[in-house]
Amino acid sequence: EAGVAQSPRYKIIEKRQSVAFWCNPISGHATLYWYQQILGQGPKLLIQFQNNGVVDDSQLPKDRFSAERLKGVDSTLKIQPAKLEDSAVYLCASSLDVTGAYNEQFFGPGTRLTVL
Amino acid sequence: AQTVTQSQPEMSVQEAETVTLSCTYDTSESDYYLFWYKQPPSRQMILVIRQEAYKQQNATENRFSVNFQKAAKSFSLKISDSQLGDAAMYFCAYLENSGYALNFGKGTSLLVTP
Repeated sequence: EAGVAQSPRYKIIEKRQSVAFWCNPISGHATLYWYQQILGQGPKLLIQFQNNGVVDDSQLPKDRFSAERLKGVDSTLKIQPAKLEDSAVYLCASSLDVTGAYNEQFFGPGTRLTVL
Repeated sequence: AQTVTQSQPEMSVQEAETVTLSCTYDTSESDYYLFWYKQPPSRQMILVIRQEAYKQQNATENRFSVNFQKAAKSFSLKISDSQLGDAAMYFCAYLENSGYALNFGKGTSLLVTP
């Protein structure tokens, strides 16, 4: 079975520029997550989708970050404008469902963003 | 929000030896899940082992086992017969049964020496 795909793997931008990341979850996985992992820390959830609806975006900085999941499959995460503190690895994960035996999250390789 | 604490930033073990990584968490819930994830350098995060809070029996996966102490809110990972490929960052994570917000600790960097 194919894993979670993310692109690009690396991105370098200047502050105040915009950037977008793409994620393709494992086929059939209803739940999709975006995490931000700052160097030396554990991942922090930014947003969680169930199919194409948002179930948790409480930690998403909505003045500059946006995310969508069209048709309940692929997802994009956008930052506009980027700040220096946005430098991090952005991880996408998916799971069959949110509860019980199906809540194991599978992670993609991540996108490493550097903001100069 | 639930807090997950990993008090060991770095650990070192010799090949073939056993090492235990510590994790404590804070929650008022009684039904939840705990996970250990492994993140090798520049590689993606993979699940090592998972524990359902309602199960008293400690989970095991080959050389990996946990010591789950629910009352103490402790969830340690034991790696037996350590191998060079075990070198990685290990993250402890907590998930409520509702399925929202997997909370991660800051991680423990494990070094395996020949």
